[in-house]
Amino acid sequence: AQKVTQAQTEISVVEKEDVTLDCVYETRDTTYYLFWYKQPPSGELVFLIRRNSFDEQNEISGRYSWNFQKSTSSFNFTITASQVVDSAVYFCALSEYGAGKSTFGDGTTLTVKP
Amino acid sequence: DGGITQSPKYLFRKEGQNVTLSCEQNLNHDAMYWYRQDPGQGLRLIYYSQIVNDFQKGDIAEGYSVSREKKESFPLTVTSAQKNPTAFYLCASSPRTGSTVNTEAFFGQGTRLTVV
Repeated sequence: AQKVTQAQTEISVVEKEDVTLDCVYETRDTTYYLFWYKQPPSGELVFLIRRNSFDEQNEISGRYSWNFQKSTSSFNFTITASQVVDSAVYFCALSEYGAGKSTFGDGTTLTVKP
Repeated sequence: DGGITQSPKYLFRKEGQNVTLSCEQNLNHDAMYWYRQDPGQGLRLIYYSQIVNDFQKGDIAEGYSVSREKKESFPLTVTSAQKNPTAFYLCASSPRTGSTVNTEAFFGQGTRLTVV
């Protein structure tokens, strides 16, 4: 069975601070995919990034960066110089190879104060 | 514009009644999904469909039913057998499944169902 754990329920930071959201996953599959989604107050989940289990290269995209470490089963997400518009619930998700459907963590609510 | 449309945005149901949530996509995606979200919790999979006229139960299918008669439509019926139906329901789609690439899902804006 697959499991995704986001230990941080809520995080509050002041604008311009850096913040890291943690994600730890469990799976027996050797091939799998990991995702981060953002859920703003409007409710719709917005895709941020996808990584497959063979690609441990970390990525930076603007103010966002991701750290995938297979050895520790972690897929952490960092926002640099946070902004008020970053306030949202962030979900980490895991998908089996070829399955399409995903297992989601419980989410981390990020509040960025001006 | 391409996307996923869920309707209605808010829905109130009396106990003992069935209610159907609509989900339509014009992205030409093969796979569609229904998730349930409760406060402070992640998304839990109710049903999913990888192709027209075929669907599979997810982790919490009891008390729900679906149909997939058209590629673009995947309605969810919440039956009176669902003991605690008050929740936020999200529909999603993805381009393909069962292939070499697991692509991300595209989500609708959700339907908030309240039993009164």
